[in-house]
Amino acid sequence: KQEVTQIPAALSVPEGENLVLNCSFTDSAIYNLQWFRQDPGKGLTSLLLIQSSQREQTSGRLNASLDKSSGRSTLYIAASQPGDSATYLCASPPGYSSASKIIFGSGTRLSIRP
Amino acid sequence: GAVVSQHPSRVICKSGTSVKIECRSLDFQATTMFWYRQFPKQSLMLMATSNEGSKATYEQGVEKDKFLINHASLTLSTLTVTSAHPEDSSFYICSARDDGNYGYTFGSGTRLTVV
Repeated sequence: KQEVTQIPAALSVPEGENLVLNCSFTDSAIYNLQWFRQDPGKGLTSLLLIQSSQREQTSGRLNASLDKSSGRSTLYIAASQPGDSATYLCASPPGYSSASKIIFGSGTRLSIRP
Repeated sequence: GAVVSQHPSRVICKSGTSVKIECRSLDFQATTMFWYRQFPKQSLMLMATSNEGSKATYEQGVEKDKFLINHASLTLSTLTVTSAHPEDSSFYICSARDDGNYGYTFGSGTRLTVV
């Protein structure tokens, strides 16, 4: 059974710092891995989608990496801004079945101090 | 990018009435959609998996007769909360899995308040 873990659970850093959020998963037979952010009282916004054949994806100040062999993914945020404050979730459907349910990590609550 | 439209964003209803929530993929087809419930400061809880043209699969503990799901097309799934009670008040979020790249896109959520 796939388990997704995110460390740290909460993080507070001053504006301008670069930071890394970690995600680990127990079953390396993943189809893809996706990073989301959720603002309070809102739905989830997809940030980056990494297919199992890829090692990283980049979008603006965000870079996500995927290492299936070690069961790890990281989300790197460069030059953090107060608007980056949110809960960040990594998620992956287990196995190669495209119909599998997505499994979420418990999230990292990020706070960027002005 | 992929967009999922969820309506309404907020609804207040009287106890005993039914409420329908729509989840629509705007620019991609989604054979599979998912319905979640989220309580304050907690993680998303999967309620059911909705498959186009077939019956939904409900998670353990979710009442099928209370939470009716219909997925009549490749772009639309609906969740109807029947005979709503105050304990059904929550934040409901849908997501759609893109048939093309298997990425998940979430709706903006519906805040249901039953009075």
